[in-house]
Amino acid sequence: KAGVTQTPRYLIKTRGQQVTLSCSPISGHRSVSWYQQTPGQGLQFLFEYFSETQRNKGNFPGRFSGRQFSNSRSEMNVSTLELGDSALYLCASSLGTTGGMSYEQYFGPGTRLTVT
Amino acid sequence: AQRVTQPEKLLSVFKGAPVELKCNYSYSGSPELFWYVQYSRQRLQLLLRHISRESIKGFTADLNKGETSFHLKKPFAQEEDSAMYYCALIPDRGSTLGRLYFGRGTQLTVWP
Repeated sequence: KAGVTQTPRYLIKTRGQQVTLSCSPISGHRSVSWYQQTPGQGLQFLFEYFSETQRNKGNFPGRFSGRQFSNSRSEMNVSTLELGDSALYLCASSLGTTGGMSYEQYFGPGTRLTVT
Repeated sequence: AQRVTQPEKLLSVFKGAPVELKCNYSYSGSPELFWYVQYSRQRLQLLLRHISRESIKGFTADLNKGETSFHLKKPFAQEEDSAMYYCALIPDRGSTLGRLYFGRGTQLTVWP
């Protein structure tokens, strides 16, 4: 089956602009999580969506937002970009959890965002 | 706060030597522990999880709740094991919240 896809793969923006990243989960997966990866902070959780509802949010400013559509595709938006937002943004999808166990999260290739 | 610590940023061993990648966590509940691996130019993928108690690609990891550790071990390292390894946890096993807390990662290099 097709894996998690993310578009675009690379993006260059200038400070103050806004950006939207897209994630298409594996078919049948209803949970989508977003992570930011930087050399300084490592992998940090942004938010998780399940069936169009945000279930969990990391410690990021309100400039970072997301949403999930009825087909489970998800988008994240960053407004008023700052230089420190330059990072690899990873999306992961899973079936969710059941019976005391979390299903495996499958990661996409990431979107490399560079803010100049 | 939940925290995952991988004390070694870099680890080098020779082919055929044993390898151990350390992971310690701080959380008092019932976490679910994972090891993820990222090979060069590939996406992050799950290597193993403590509840399955499987051996994947010769790697094993035992959860030591007393020492709050989840070290990854392989008795005989291979060159193809060279990769970045991340230890991660979900704070409450079976939680509906699928948030993963990651360590900073250990870059393993296996020399021929």
